[in-house]
Amino acid sequence: GAVVSQHPSRVICKSGTSVKIECRSLDFQATTMFWYRQFPKQSLMLMATSNEGSKATYEQGVEKDKFLINHASLTLSTLTVTSAHPEDSSFYICSARGSSYSYEQYFGPGTRLTVT
Amino acid sequence: AQSVAQPEDQVNVAEGNPLTVKCTYSVSGNPYLFWYVQYPNRGLQFLLKYITGDNLVKGSYGFEAEFNKSQTSFHLKKPSALVSDSALYFCAVSLFRGADGLTFGKGTHLIIQP
Repeated sequence: GAVVSQHPSRVICKSGTSVKIECRSLDFQATTMFWYRQFPKQSLMLMATSNEGSKATYEQGVEKDKFLINHASLTLSTLTVTSAHPEDSSFYICSARGSSYSYEQYFGPGTRLTVT
Repeated sequence: AQSVAQPEDQVNVAEGNPLTVKCTYSVSGNPYLFWYVQYPNRGLQFLLKYITGDNLVKGSYGFEAEFNKSQTSFHLKKPSALVSDSALYFCAVSLFRGADGLTFGKGTHLIIQP
């Protein structure tokens, strides 16, 4: 149980275009989803927290107009990178948390974004 | 603000030997501590957590970790390493039992040599 999927696993886009990444909880309802960014050989950095039906809360330094997060249902959150630039190239990982009594976050396999 | 330190970029252990991956933390409040493992180009897999109670926590794949409040440490251990344990290990801390976004250490590459 507790499986989180991400789509696509890899995406290459041209500079200036937008790309959408999906995060789905497959076998549980995710009241909260998190988006992290991982640079090569570095740790994961929290970008934003989203609760179903609410606006996402962004970490300091993360541009909310550039990284649009939507959590429209209890099983789906999307991250849209708008007007992508090469410096947005990174590994994006989502995680999901279930009920209020669940301590664990379940992580998706990640999406490798390359902006050319 | 909370922080996590993993002082070793890489740990090398011979197969069959015990292994330790170090983690120290800094929080203003009660810490909730986690260990995750990441294989190449894959997401994180949960290993174990400390929420409350017994300081020795047992997790997946034979791993365990000991919470030491006085030393603010949460080192990951395994009595006998396997080559398949080779991966990138992350220690993480939460202030709200995992309900908030996790703060991760920079990760430690564990290499088990046959």
